[in-house]
Amino acid sequence: DVKVTQSSRYLVKRTGEKVFLECVQDMDHENMFWYRQDPGLGLRLIYFSYDVKMKEKGDIPEGYSVSREKKERFSLILESASTNQTSMYLCASSLRAVRSNQPQHFGDGTRLSIL
Amino acid sequence: QQQVKQSPQSLIVQKGGISIINCAYENTAFDYFPWYQQFPGKGPALLIAIRPDVSEKKEGRFTISFNKSAKQFSLHIMDSQPGDSATYFCAASMDYGGSQGNLIFGKGTKLSVKP
Repeated sequence: DVKVTQSSRYLVKRTGEKVFLECVQDMDHENMFWYRQDPGLGLRLIYFSYDVKMKEKGDIPEGYSVSREKKERFSLILESASTNQTSMYLCASSLRAVRSNQPQHFGDGTRLSIL
Repeated sequence: QQQVKQSPQSLIVQKGGISIINCAYENTAFDYFPWYQQFPGKGPALLIAIRPDVSEKKEGRFTISFNKSAKQFSLHIMDSQPGDSATYFCAASMDYGGSQGNLIFGKGTKLSVKP
């Protein structure tokens, strides 16, 4: 079974701090994704990566950056945390294939509060 | 054109009843339509998926109905059970040669099945 592990379930940080959210997958997936989930807004894609050291902006990249130094690990970085970044953050991974029907496997999320 | 519109936002169904969640899309290049199920405190998990070359797919009590001409698809949960209480997301993606498998998600439907 695919396992996507997010390093923290709950995190509380202060405004202006640099915050790192870590995600590790154990199935040798090429694609990795970071989403944020907010009530009534669904899942919104922040960044994704389809290979080591590659990254692409999603729909809401402002205020975030990412790092993928190893295939199994994808980090989300809040450069200077702000209160509007309080949210649930979800990491996902999938196989890269010619056809799009590769399921994304999600971690259980990190609930981040910025005070 | 990249949106997937999902309704209703919330749904209350009696045990044994039929739950119906609807989604609509605009982009005719979408060709993979998965549904994800998310329980509280967990990440979303793939429930069932369909491609537009079929009009219906059934897995146990879960059925996807697909109407290509109307650009709509729906999830039907037959004999709904309290254990089905969760948030459901529809999604869509497209093949584009070396696809990264990006999914466009609906905003979610919170289903409550009353005993």
